[in-house]
Amino acid sequence: DIQMTQSPSSLSASIGDRVTITCRASQYIGTYLNWYQQKPGKAPKLLIFAASSLQSGVPSRFSGTESGTDYTLTITSLQPEDFATYYCQQTNSAFPLTFGGGTKVQIK
Amino acid sequence: EVELLESGGGLVQPGGSLRLSCEASGFRFSNYEMNWVRQAPGKGLEWISHISSSGSIIKYADSVKGRFTVSKDDAKNSLYLLMNSLRAEDTAVYYCARESPYGFGALDVWGQGTMVTVGS
Repeated sequence: DIQMTQSPSSLSASIGDRVTITCRASQYIGTYLNWYQQKPGKAPKLLIFAASSLQSGVPSRFSGTESGTDYTLTITSLQPEDFATYYCQQTNSAFPLTFGGGTKVQIK
Repeated sequence: EVELLESGGGLVQPGGSLRLSCEASGFRFSNYEMNWVRQAPGKGLEWISHISSSGSIIKYADSVKGRFTVSKDDAKNSLYLLMNSLRAEDTAVYYCARESPYGFGALDVWGQGTMVTVGS
């Protein structure tokens, strides 16, 4: 199975900060990497698909990049509504699909 | 409006069974691949099952294989998850989720979730 190692598990940041979250795949998955945001008591919301494509309706301050087996989600200027938990997910052709462990973004 | 609505969760004893339903609206359900994802209290997301649009391809996580069965009824715009031999570790919120038409397995529409509690 493909493992997704997400870091950090939590971080504290201020409004306006640039935030970076990373996922590393245990093997090559190409661009089969998606990012989700989840707020407490709510379902996850798709932010980025195919490693770098912005889902419709998602603000442009969110972006995704890939380099080999490393994937990065960047929030360029953190807004109050961005405090949440973020998950990466690999969807390479081989099941099972796997999520990273999550990154909780908290207010500093 | 595109929507998924789960139902069927509740409290069940260990070893018991439960069937979850997920009703789709606002899109042509028969054209989409669907998944079930669960989240134990205070934990991360765990993918548990996939069914292709035709129903011909079905996949499960090892943690539920042999105990859970996914199915769909296009006439009722509904996805189901039959859960047998339930264990305490199956306690979680269960979400159904649609795969994006853009591919890459991205889950672009999620239900609100239904809570399953396994205990006495």
